[in-house]
Amino acid sequence: GQQLNQSPQSMFIQEGEDVSMNCTSSSIFNTWLWYKQDPGEGPVLLIALYKAGELTSNGRLTAQFGITRKDSFLNISASIPSDVGIYFCAGLRMSGNTPLVFGKGTRLSVIA
Amino acid sequence: KAGVTQTPRYLIKTRGQQVTLSCSPISGHRSVSWYQQTPGQGLQFLFEYFSETQRNKGNFPGRFSGRQFSNSRSEMNVSTLELGDSALYLCASSLDSISAEAFFGQGTRLTVV
Repeated sequence: GQQLNQSPQSMFIQEGEDVSMNCTSSSIFNTWLWYKQDPGEGPVLLIALYKAGELTSNGRLTAQFGITRKDSFLNISASIPSDVGIYFCAGLRMSGNTPLVFGKGTRLSVIA
Repeated sequence: KAGVTQTPRYLIKTRGQQVTLSCSPISGHRSVSWYQQTPGQGLQFLFEYFSETQRNKGNFPGRFSGRQFSNSRSEMNVSTLELGDSALYLCASSLDSISAEAFFGQGTRLTVV
């Protein structure tokens, strides 16, 4: 099935650094979601975005709904070891009775 | 408020067998979706149920089926298991059929040997 283009695939960063990842698509979405998945667990919803241009924060996490409706960004400030995991974007398309579409994830590793 | 509960957490089956996985959504949620997660393919949509009706189906063979009960609990069944069916099977619940926010369970890790 269709998937979103999520980048980067993986990141190794130092504790305290900021992190940026993004998701792009050739299709328009009317909702963007960001999830984090720890090993052996299900994805946990971090942030939901509903309007183009919307900027939403959840603690050290900030996500934006792209103005073109075809992309979204997630930033993590001052990373800490517990930020390690896989981050997924997911989008809900504007038209049709369609399910969430997921990116393949960004694997984040934090070096203390 | 209890989260999404999936049982069992782990399963080992042999090729050719069939398996049934269970999902109890968040109380009050009426929509349940199932996903297959593998390292190579990521999260692949299987099907979605709302009010006991299948609303959407992903691109999986007919060996994969599901159902939803009147209390919104859902089961998925995989018949004639193949080695490639080894994966983490995730269930997500949403408030209703138009709510985008989906909340996942911990998943069932299925290993086919």
